Amino acid sequence: NAGVTQTPKFRILKIGQSMTLQCTQDMNHNYMYWYRQDPGMGLKLIYYSVGAGITDKGEVPNGYNVSRSTTEDFPLRLELAAPSQTSVYFCASTLSEGFQQPQHFGDGTRLSIL
Amino acid sequence: GENVEQHPSTLSVQEGDSAVIKCTYSDSASNYFPWYKQELGKGPQLIIDIRSNVGEKKDQRIAVTLNKTAKHFSLHITETQPEDSAVYFCAARLIQGAQKLVFGQGTRLTINP
Repeated sequence: NAGVTQTPKFRILKIGQSMTLQCTQDMNHNYMYWYRQDPGMGLKLIYYSVGAGITDKGEVPNGYNVSRSTTEDFPLRLELAAPSQTSVYFCASTLSEGFQQPQHFGDGTRLSIL
Repeated sequence: GENVEQHPSTLSVQEGDSAVIKCTYSDSASNYFPWYKQELGKGPQLIIDIRSNVGEKKDQRIAVTLNKTAKHFSLHITETQPEDSAVYFCAARLIQGAQKLVFGQGTRLTINP
């Protein structure tokens, strides 16, 4: 099993450009999450999904969009990149069944907006 | 909503000594408290977790304690080794659906040889 795979690992964008951060998992997890991590800070939840076709906002959703057309994939879209979106982005997944299942994380996408 | 505070933000200990990281949470309904270790350039990895019906859990050199009354939980690492150097995050799970976690700010632990 590869677990949670994120691409790209690094990206530099210009202000106003758009891009999609890819996330895929091969563990048949139905719950998936997107976080951002700013220097010296914890992880903040951007969006999450409890299954294909279902998404909801987290703590910091402004400037982002998501979709969940399959169980495996949960892409994060930035439509108009802004310097405030410079961050490290992590995707995570977990099973809904079973009490208190741990979240499994990818290795992140490091994004700079210049 | 839930708020998790983590202290200290940085911690430096001598190899072989113990390290303790503390977290407090605000929502008394939270029922699951995981600890993650993040190495440079990697995503967080779960190292230990504890449920609200348990006061202490141990896994080799790592232990976690939970005080529900005071709403705080702690990570204890004994006999520290250089490979323990990393950033550690605590988190609390909201009891409401989707198993969302709220994370502390992180502790950068450095083990000095």
